[in-house]
Amino acid sequence: AQSVTQLGSHVSVSEGALVLLRCNYSSSVPPYLFWYVQYPNQGLQLLLKYTTGATLVKGINGFEAEFKKSETSFHLTKPSAHMSDAAEYFCAVSESSGAGSYQLTFGKGTKLSVIP
Amino acid sequence: DGGITQSPKYLFRKEGQNVTLSCEQNLNHDAMYWYRQDPGQGLRLIYYSQIVNDFQKGDIAEGYSVSREKKESFPLTVTSAQKNPTAFYLCASSSAIRSYNEQFFGPGTRLTVL
Repeated sequence: AQSVTQLGSHVSVSEGALVLLRCNYSSSVPPYLFWYVQYPNQGLQLLLKYTTGATLVKGINGFEAEFKKSETSFHLTKPSAHMSDAAEYFCAVSESSGAGSYQLTFGKGTKLSVIP
Repeated sequence: DGGITQSPKYLFRKEGQNVTLSCEQNLNHDAMYWYRQDPGQGLRLIYYSQIVNDFQKGDIAEGYSVSREKKESFPLTVTSAQKNPTAFYLCASSSAIRSYNEQFFGPGTRLTVL
């Protein structure tokens, strides 16, 4: 089974500073990778996804992530944090569950705080 | 607007009672999913369904049941056999179960057992 590790359950950054949220995955096949964001008491919203092609993926709200196969990583970055970025972020990898079906395996999440 | 609705937003249950959480989508998606979210645990898959009248157990199906009688609807019943049901429950859907398809999520139902 594949797994996803998000380093740091809580990350704090100052407003205007770089945001870096780390995600490492284990996979024996080329993975499909996703980042979702969750605001308090809400559902998850897709930020971006990597399928094939360009390894630098741009998403919504100024976020981007780079797929590095050699490091089995898919870290999420944003050059300048806004107060509205405070939320919980989840990395996920698509995994086969047999018979042509797939599941998403999620990391445990990283809660981002933005300090004024 | 297309999307996924879950109701109710908050639900309280007494121990020993069954309770059903509603999930409806108007995205014309074939696949639907139920997840449980606990603080610091990420999302764990309870059940999923690829087509009407078919569903499979996920990683933590014990104490839960589902049905898929209509494409738009995938209700989840939390039975009295679920020992620790207090959690945030999320429903999701996707256009098909393909490795690269993203899932779209509803707003969630927070269940509290009194």
